[in-house]
This record gives sequence, structure tokens and C-alpha cells, in this order.
Amino acid sequence: EVQLVESGGGLIQPGGSLRLYCATSGITVSNNYMTWVRQAPGKGLEWVSVIYRSGSTYYVDSVEGRFTISRDTSENMLYLQMNSLRVEDTAVYYCASGADYYIDSWGQGTLVTVSS
Amino acid sequence: EIVMTQSPATLSVSPGERVTLSCRASQSVRYYLAWYQQKPGQAPRLLIYSASTRATGVPARFSGSGSETEFTLTISSLQSEDFAIYYCQHYNSWPPWTFGQGTKVEIK
Repeated sequence: EVQLVESGGGLIQPGGSLRLYCATSGITVSNNYMTWVRQAPGKGLEWVSVIYRSGSTYYVDSVEGRFTISRDTSENMLYLQMNSLRVEDTAVYYCASGADYYIDSWGQGTLVTVSS
Repeated sequence: EIVMTQSPATLSVSPGERVTLSCRASQSVRYYLAWYQQKPGQAPRLLIYSASTRATGVPARFSGSGSETEFTLTISSLQSEDFAIYYCQHYNSWPPWTFGQGTKVEIK
């Protein structure tokens, strides 16, 4: 059974930094497409970033240059380093994975609140 | 960026009814289209991938169809546990793999 458990969310001031963590079991992060998806309060889903099996990374334009996705294959962990945070980055952040490009497993999410 | 547009925004239906949700892509995504279900306070759940393939454990009352720019999710007989928000997402070619804005299926 695949389990994805996010942590690292919290309240942060605009301009601050936060690192999100995703602990995985039942999958190998290097053999899956590992993704971050976010959902602002009361809003829909927004795809944020992906790291391919090859290690290539992609981002939605609104976070390009501010967020960095990475993985630790020895720990089987996924990360999202978020810098220069903005109020509009406030959301529940989901760690997600798939053997193909679509997402077949989701974590329960961690809430990031950017506010002064 | 490919824009995904879902319609309607809200659908009010009675249990047992047949439901059809639409998803349109701003350009062809071939058959690289997934549908997800999300209930309040929960993470999304994969229902359909490759436009028409049901994910493991998804009841047969859920079916997907379409290709290129027009896609449909059909629930043949709505059950009480199906009241939720449904999202489509493309995963064609390069990211970003955008989601539609969602269709809320609510009790009539």
C-alpha cells in the first residue's frame, strides 16, 4: 500500500521560506513521477511541480524561481523548498505520485498559511 | 499552457440519476486525461486515466470517454457517496499539467 505523509506546513510571513517534506512508503521515489499539488482555501486544485524519474524538474509559472522540488532516494523522501513566499501561496499542499504522468496516490496534505 | 474548462460548475441531482460531466481542453491533449473525485476534507482520488480507463477499485458506474479536446465523465446511477467535486486534469506532453476548475455534484 502506498502512503505519502506530508509535514512542514505552518504559518509564515510574506517573504519567508518554508520546506515541505513528504515521507513515502510502498513506492520508490526514483521510480515514480513525484508531484506537488496545492489547493487554496475553498478553491480548486493547482498543479505546482513535478520531478521525473530522470530527475528533471518542472514548475508552474507562478512558483518558477521561488520553489524547488527535490528528492532523497536513500530516504525515499520528497521535498518542496519554498522561498519568497507570497500571500497567494496560502494553500493545502499535497504530495502525490504516479507510475505514469497521472496521479494515482495522494497524501493528506499540509497547510501553508502566508500572512503577516 | 493548456486551459481545462469544466461544465457545469454545479450539478444538482437526485440519487439514482445518470450524471454527465464535461471537460474541454484549449488544445488537443490526445487521450492524456484523468478524472479525480474529492470529498470535503479529503485528498483527491483517481477515478479515470487515459480518458477512459478506470483506476483500481473504482466502481463500474463511473466511465470516461472522449479524446483530443472533449471529454466526459459519466456516473450511470448516482449513489449517496458520489456527492463530491470532480476535477479533470491533462497530462499531455510537457508540464504544467493543469486541472479544470471542478464540477460540484450536490444533492437536489
